[in-house]
Amino acid sequence: KQEVTQIPAALSVPEGENLVLNCSFTDSAIYNLQWFRQDPGKGLTSLLLIQSSQREQTSGRLNASLDKSSGRSTLYIAASQPGDSATYLCAVGARETSGSRLTFGEGTQLTVNP
Amino acid sequence: DGGITQSPKYLFRKEGQNVTLSCEQNLNHDAMYWYRQDPGQGLRLIYYSQIVNDFQKGDIAEGYSVSREKKESFPLTVTSAQKNPTAFYLCASSTQGSRNIQYFGAGTRLSVL
Repeated sequence: KQEVTQIPAALSVPEGENLVLNCSFTDSAIYNLQWFRQDPGKGLTSLLLIQSSQREQTSGRLNASLDKSSGRSTLYIAASQPGDSATYLCAVGARETSGSRLTFGEGTQLTVNP
Repeated sequence: DGGITQSPKYLFRKEGQNVTLSCEQNLNHDAMYWYRQDPGQGLRLIYYSQIVNDFQKGDIAEGYSVSREKKESFPLTVTSAQKNPTAFYLCASSTQGSRNIQYFGAGTRLSVL
């Protein structure tokens, strides 16, 4: 059974700092990997999706990397802003006979201080 | 507006009562999903459906039921058999394939009276 772990559970940084969030998974036979953002009491917003054949994806100040062989992904946030404060969730996709599904980590709660 | 609509936003359940959470999407997505989120935790998959009239159990299906009679709709019923239903419930939908980004609704918060 796939297990997804995110470290650290919480992170507090000053505005302008570059930071890295980590995600590890136990089964390297993945379909894709997605990073989401969740604001308190809200649904999830997709940030980046990396297909299993890709090594990284970029969107604006965000860059996500994938190393299937070591079972790791990182989300790099450049020049952090207070508006980046949220919980970031990593989810690993698996392809099954009945379709595809995601297994989520528990998230990293990020606070960016002005 | 394209997207996923969950209703109600807040729901209260009495002892022994079944309650149904609504999820509607107008994104023309084939796949739909229900997740449960407990405080400070990630999401756990309850049920998912890849096509109309077909659905699969996720990791925590006991005490829940679903139906998929229309492509746009995937309601979740929390039955009286679910002894600890208090949680935040999230519905999502996606296309098929390896670029299947999941789009989420705003969630329903269920509490027990």
